[in-house]
Amino acid sequence: NAGVMQNPRHLVRRRGQEARLRCSPMKGHSHVYWYRQLPEEGLKFMVYLQKENIIDESGMPKERFSAEFPKEGPSILRIQQVVRGDSAAYFCASIGQGNTEAFFGQGTRLTVV
Amino acid sequence: AQKITQTQPGMFVQEKEAVTLDCTYDTSDQSYGLFWYKQPSSGEMIFLIYQGSYDEQNATEGRYSLNFQKARKSANLVISASQLGDSAMYFCAMSKLIFGQGTTLQVKP
Repeated sequence: NAGVMQNPRHLVRRRGQEARLRCSPMKGHSHVYWYRQLPEEGLKFMVYLQKENIIDESGMPKERFSAEFPKEGPSILRIQQVVRGDSAAYFCASIGQGNTEAFFGQGTRLTVV
Repeated sequence: AQKITQTQPGMFVQEKEAVTLDCTYDTSDQSYGLFWYKQPSSGEMIFLIYQGSYDEQNATEGRYSLNFQKARKSANLVISASQLGDSAMYFCAMSKLIFGQGTTLQVKP
């Protein structure tokens, strides 16, 4: 859904660099999910955030990965010291009131070279 | 904990026929929701349909309908009158956006 904006759409990083992925939820949505998808695979849950609060980060690797959703601005998924295995599509979804609608952004395709 | 299972890795259907994509779930929550998404080869995730656990009627959205059987914990997606553009990966998900493994649907002309 065009309402959830992710940028950049494509990101290339060298091993050891940092990757920052941004997600602006739909207007009125205050909850954001992040997922990772490898080619030909399903979506793997990473983290669930509310503004200024991490609700569930059970799917996120303990090292190098962090996420935030500040009071103002987009949610950020940050990967430090990227490795080739981090290459994947990263999707965010925002969920609306009553949890009856959940829309995805178009994803960020991260390539680590 | 919630769990979603899609047991069909791949399905074929003839154009204009109906197809059912299976989804079973497990949860201890009394109130929950079920979502279906379509992911075409272009990669975006497209929201198709939502079913609430307390909804008395099965959800429908155009050619998509959800065959919700609460006692069996199943929420199968039915696509009627398949079109070539329906060829895609389909994912079932629960309230907290826990996803199944997906089913690849190919529509044959």
